[in-house]
Amino acid sequence: RKEVEQDPGPFNVPEGATVAFNCTYSNSASQSFFWYRQDCRKEPKLLMSVYSSGNEDGRFTAQLNRASQYISLLIRDSKLSDSATYLCVVTSLGGNNRLAFGKGNQVVVIP
Amino acid sequence: ETGVTQSPTHLIKTRGQQVTLRCSSQSGHNTVSWYQQALGQGPQFIFQYYREEENGRGNFPPRFSGLQFPNYSSELNVNALELDDSALYLCASSLAGGSETQYFGPGTRLLVL
Repeated sequence: RKEVEQDPGPFNVPEGATVAFNCTYSNSASQSFFWYRQDCRKEPKLLMSVYSSGNEDGRFTAQLNRASQYISLLIRDSKLSDSATYLCVVTSLGGNNRLAFGKGNQVVVIP
Repeated sequence: ETGVTQSPTHLIKTRGQQVTLRCSSQSGHNTVSWYQQALGQGPQFIFQYYREEENGRGNFPPRFSGLQFPNYSSELNVNALELDDSALYLCASSLAGGSETQYFGPGTRLLVL
């Protein structure tokens, strides 16, 4: 079983609509959780950290459900510039906090 | 941008050759992690260097090796290249063995023919 599972999509979203997706992780002892954004042929960039209490950054809301081991991301009022791949990331144990990535959710915002 | 640089940006090699990729970490960062991202996949952890020592390794064969210099820049070496080594190689710079946010460089795109 992969450490982080994501449905790659693509998710075709009309401009202005809301899109939500989630990922599951296999290691119940994982400590830190993130969403990274990756544009085509570019490096991943940190979008937001994810906390158990949930957190919001503008149009983006992230939630963590430790009991069910899933993380979600919701994007409201989608913009064309939101088109990207959103990578679910979990830090593993072992002292080096290596990042374990999912395959990513590809989002295409359509005018 | 992140201040993390990588060279070269693109590289074409043939099967069996060797390659060295370079990464300069963000100023003040003492940790560099390397990841391999195949097409359509998420990045996979190769290994991490913290204060010039290897600090963890992913599921990659020994022909993937690396080192970190006193200025905390790092190299990734791959021997006996295989076609499946074709990927985007990313380095990430951070503090304190990766416990802080990791910032990615632009990557090196390697094609093995």
